[in-house]
Amino acid sequence: NAGVTQTPKFQVLKTGQSMTLQCAQDMNHEYMSWYRQDPGMGLRLIHYSVGAGITDQGEVPNGYNVSRSTTEDFPLRLLSAAPSQTSVYFCASTPLGAYEQYFGPGTRLTVT
Amino acid sequence: AQSVTQPDIHITVSEGASLELRCNYSYGATPYLFWYVQSPGQGLQLLLKYFSGDTLVQGIKGFEAEFKRSQSSFNLRKPSVHWSDAAEYFCAVSGGNAGNMLTFGGGTRLMVKP
Repeated sequence: NAGVTQTPKFQVLKTGQSMTLQCAQDMNHEYMSWYRQDPGMGLRLIHYSVGAGITDQGEVPNGYNVSRSTTEDFPLRLLSAAPSQTSVYFCASTPLGAYEQYFGPGTRLTVT
Repeated sequence: AQSVTQPDIHITVSEGASLELRCNYSYGATPYLFWYVQSPGQGLQLLLKYFSGDTLVQGIKGFEAEFKRSQSSFNLRKPSVHWSDAAEYFCAVSGGNAGNMLTFGGGTRLMVKP
C-alpha cells in the first residue's frame, strides 16, 4: 500500500490564482481530512469527510473547497489564493470506527 | 470545545538524558489522546495513543506517556534521548466527534545536544 499520497510536494502561486491540492489513499478508509500547519499553531482542521459524498467544515474552512466523489480521493481547492494561505497542508485518513489518523507527506504552498 | 496546550515551544536536552514533554487538554468527557512526531520536512508519525484502560501507555521508539485525568495531562517521556529523536512533537485529542477529527497542540520542538 502507498498509504496517503499528496501532490504536488511544493507549489508557488500568485495572489488570486487557483489550484487544487490532490490527496489519495489506497487503504479504503472512510474518513479523510485536510489540515494546515503554521508555526506555533500546530495543525488546524480545514475540511473533513466521513464518506463519499459527505463533507463538512473544520476550524479554518474559509477560502477552501472540498468534494469527495470517491472513497480514495479528497482534493482541496483554493479558488483565489491569498498570502495568508501560505502554509504546509496535510491530508489524513482514518478507518471507519478508528481514531488515529494516517498522514500524507504534506504539500508546502507559498502564495506571493 | 476541546483544546490542547503544549506549554514548551522549545526544549533542549543532552543525548542520553531523560525527556518529558508536557501536554494539557481540555475536554468534557473521556478524551482519546495521541502523540505524533514530525521529523524535519516529513509528515506526522503516530508515537502512541490512549483510549482507555491502563493510564501508562507504551509507544514506538522507546516513548511512553501517562494519562492523568485529575491534571488533564498526557505527558510524553523517554528515559534516554538519542540524537535521532530531534524533531517536533505534537499532542492531539479527539473527542469522538463526527469523523473523529483531531485537535492539535502547538507543538514542542526538541533539540538534542551531543
